Amino acid sequence: GAVVSQHPSRVICKSGTSVKIECRSLDFQATTMFWYRQFPKQSLMLMATSNEGSKATYEQGVEKDKFLINHASLTLSTLTVTSAHPEDSSFYICSANLQGFEETQYFGPGTRLLVL
Amino acid sequence: EDQVTQSPEALRLQEGESSSLNCSYTVSGLRGLFWYRQDPGKGPEFLFTLYSAGEEKEKERLKATLTKKESFLHITAPKPEDSATYLCAVPRGSTLGRLYFGRGTQLTVWP
Repeated sequence: GAVVSQHPSRVICKSGTSVKIECRSLDFQATTMFWYRQFPKQSLMLMATSNEGSKATYEQGVEKDKFLINHASLTLSTLTVTSAHPEDSSFYICSANLQGFEETQYFGPGTRLLVL
Repeated sequence: EDQVTQSPEALRLQEGESSSLNCSYTVSGLRGLFWYRQDPGKGPEFLFTLYSAGEEKEKERLKATLTKKESFLHITAPKPEDSATYLCAVPRGSTLGRLYFGRGTQLTVWP
């Protein structure tokens, strides 16, 4: 099956610093990837749609200047949390789908971010 | 506004005790309903996609069904390894990958 990886799996940073999270599709090309955030005991909340070669589309309420998304190739999307604050601490998960099989999303293992 | 509501929030079953999880939705023009399994600290794992009322899909001890207003995930003779959070989701907008998730049902199966 299709595999999506994320790096790092967990990161701890100081308040005010920036953190980059990578999402890779390992055995397929993904023109579109998605970024979700999940707080403890909560469900996944869609943050943005990442499109290869173009600007990301952000969901309402998500600050695009704080959560920078770059989809530089068909297998890599990155999410940068800029000037992170403790309230940004969360579980960040990306997903991707196979072209022609857009109904099935393959999720990465997630990145646990803790901002001190 | 599209809504996805899952119940119960938590369910504890003894091994072998069958039960069902519910996902009710209010979506105009449903283009699919998805079930995922999520283990603690992991990303969701795809289980099923259902497209039309009356459709059923099975995988091992799991069977998903769909009506015009809700979906059920039936678990037959569960085992401890079935313990996880089960999430349902529907697409939002025109992009299939943009999913609106319910809050999930946390299932615990004890021996």
